[in-house]
Amino acid sequence: AQKITQTQPGMFVQEKEAVTLDCTYDTSDQSYGLFWYKQPSSGEMIFLIYQGSYDEQNATEGRYSLNFQKARKSANLVISASQLGDSAMYFCAVLSGTYKYIFGTGTRLKVLA
Amino acid sequence: DSGVTQTPKHLITATGQRVTLRCSPRSGDLSVYWYQQSLDQGLQFLIQYYNGEERAKGNILERFSAQQFPDLHSELNLSSLELGDSALYFCASSVAGYSNQPQHFGDGTRLSIL
Repeated sequence: AQKITQTQPGMFVQEKEAVTLDCTYDTSDQSYGLFWYKQPSSGEMIFLIYQGSYDEQNATEGRYSLNFQKARKSANLVISASQLGDSAMYFCAVLSGTYKYIFGTGTRLKVLA
Repeated sequence: DSGVTQTPKHLITATGQRVTLRCSPRSGDLSVYWYQQSLDQGLQFLIQYYNGEERAKGNILERFSAQQFPDLHSELNLSSLELGDSALYFCASSVAGYSNQPQHFGDGTRLSIL
């Protein structure tokens, strides 16, 4: 069965600094996708970044990058130059051949001014 | 704006009742997913449809059912509602549901059972 683990229930970061949100996953499939989503206090879920299991390069999208270590089954999200608007809940998710998205329990990030 | 439309945004009803949540996917997306997000259970995958057919089932109760119509909109029906069904229900869509395609979420329907 697939499983996603986010071990940091909450984190603080100073504005303009970088922060890493941890995510480890467990899947027996060879082909899978890893995703990060942001959920602000307003409730909507916003897609941030995607990493495919066969991608050799780490994914980047603006200030977001994904530190993908396949052998360790980790897909950590790095947010550079944090902004106050980055304060939100962040979810890691995996999707593989069963078509079922599995989400982690999330990490609540608070950016401090 | 994700392009996924969910209605209604809020729903308040009583135990034992039945409700229908509606979702219109992004233009061009064939796959629709339903999720339940509650405080103690996190984000739980309920069910996925692809082009009108059920493709995957998650932790969906027997009291819940869903369908996707020929115009690709989807409805989630919740019956014999219990207090524990109070949650935020999300619909998401993707092009075809493959592992390299992100899902785009609607704003959710907040269901409160009194």
